[in-house]
Amino acid sequence: QEQVVQSGAEVKKPGASVKVSCKASGYTFTDYYMHWVRQAPGQGLEWMGYINPHGGRTNYAQKFQGRVTMTRDTSISTAYMELSRLRPDDTAVYYCARVSFYYWYFDLWGRGTLVTVSS
Amino acid sequence: QSALTQFASVSGSPGQSITISCTGTSSDVGYYDLVSWYQQHPGKAPKLLIYEVSKRPSGVSNRFSGSKSGNTASLTISGLQAEDEADYYCCSYAGSVTDYVFGTGTKVTVL
Repeated sequence: QEQVVQSGAEVKKPGASVKVSCKASGYTFTDYYMHWVRQAPGQGLEWMGYINPHGGRTNYAQKFQGRVTMTRDTSISTAYMELSRLRPDDTAVYYCARVSFYYWYFDLWGRGTLVTVSS
Repeated sequence: QSALTQFASVSGSPGQSITISCTGTSSDVGYYDLVSWYQQHPGKAPKLLIYEVSKRPSGVSNRFSGSKSGNTASLTISGLQAEDEADYYCCSYAGSVTDYVFGTGTKVTVL
């Protein structure tokens, strides 16, 4: 069945970087955008950006520009989100979520990856 | 881009109907018929409930319905059930620069 499986929880120190992976299966990876959405503890959802696996074009939310890099490896149907210069307020669950090229909603979500930033 | 505005909490008794509102601007909710709604139970990933304002994906109960008027979108849950107790988020497409903006979220409590 269609699914996206994310990498496990991470603990990082302030100033470090984290790279979260999202492996797609059950569908053609390059036929859908892969978006990243985060949720701080007890808070709402926040859109971070996306990558088009077909070609690698990215678009990042202004808030994260300069700190986030989204990449992909089509040979293993995996998308990555790297966030640098981590701060304690980057502590959150990071989700990858799929969007078709032909519609504008998130129809398939990963289970999330908890990233904790603490000294 | 500011988050869409939702009331923090809504409650209702089993069998009742409740409506959750989501207010944006003329640049997002008011401009595009691309509002979606997501249900999130504690510790779980969001689940798509409604897309393109009022369409339901296959497998989603017809107790969930969506609508929009001006800059405000709404999600109605009819025949409220205990399993509907969760957080609900709206989301709107907001153009090719900002792309997507989520609502602040509404916690639904079934009394």
